[in-house]
Amino acid sequence: QQQVKQSPQSLIVQKGGISIINCAYENTAFDYFPWYQQFPGKGPALLIAIRPDVSEKKEGRFTISFNKSAKQFSLHIMDSQPGDSATYFCAASITWRGSQGNLIFGKGTKLSVKP
Amino acid sequence: NAGVMQNPRHLVRRRGQEARLRCSPMKGHSHVYWYRQLPEEGLKFMVYLQKENIIDESGMPKERFSAEFPKEGPSILRIQQVVRGDSAAYFCASSTPGQGDTEAFFGQGTRLTVV
Repeated sequence: QQQVKQSPQSLIVQKGGISIINCAYENTAFDYFPWYQQFPGKGPALLIAIRPDVSEKKEGRFTISFNKSAKQFSLHIMDSQPGDSATYFCAASITWRGSQGNLIFGKGTKLSVKP
Repeated sequence: NAGVMQNPRHLVRRRGQEARLRCSPMKGHSHVYWYRQLPEEGLKFMVYLQKENIIDESGMPKERFSAEFPKEGPSILRIQQVVRGDSAAYFCASSTPGQGDTEAFFGQGTRLTVV
């Protein structure tokens, strides 16, 4: 019940295309859903996060879509660029006293954007 | 404002030795999380600490692993009698809850290799 399942494992997209990564969870107590971007040899960096009271959040080229009833959320990267090539992780947690609590991560999606 | 600082960046230990990983949180942050990442895997939560207090250690192995976050100084993740299976990247993240921002910022990680 603590798992977050992420797909696909790898993704190849042409420059300018849309990259879509999906995640599913079981624990309905999760109330914080972030996406992280990680480049080789670096730590994860927060891209965008959503709470379950909204169905969509957009920041620049990055959009999270959230479906509470289906217990699924997805990341859309519009106009994908070669610089977006990285590994993307979804995560979920139960926040505690304003803190994110412990994050349960998906296994990651390795995105390659071809020029 | 310096980010989360982890040292060393790379650590090589022989089987049976001790490994000490240090994490200095961002200025003003009082909460620290430790995560472990195996190759080609997502991050796995280990422990969540406030200064001088362990909030959640549900992800810590029962033996050989310990963590502290003293009133002064960095947080330390200590692994005694290391084994080959401890080889991984260890990341810490810090946050300052209660200011309307749940985000935790990750360091660059310490890559532990046990030979």
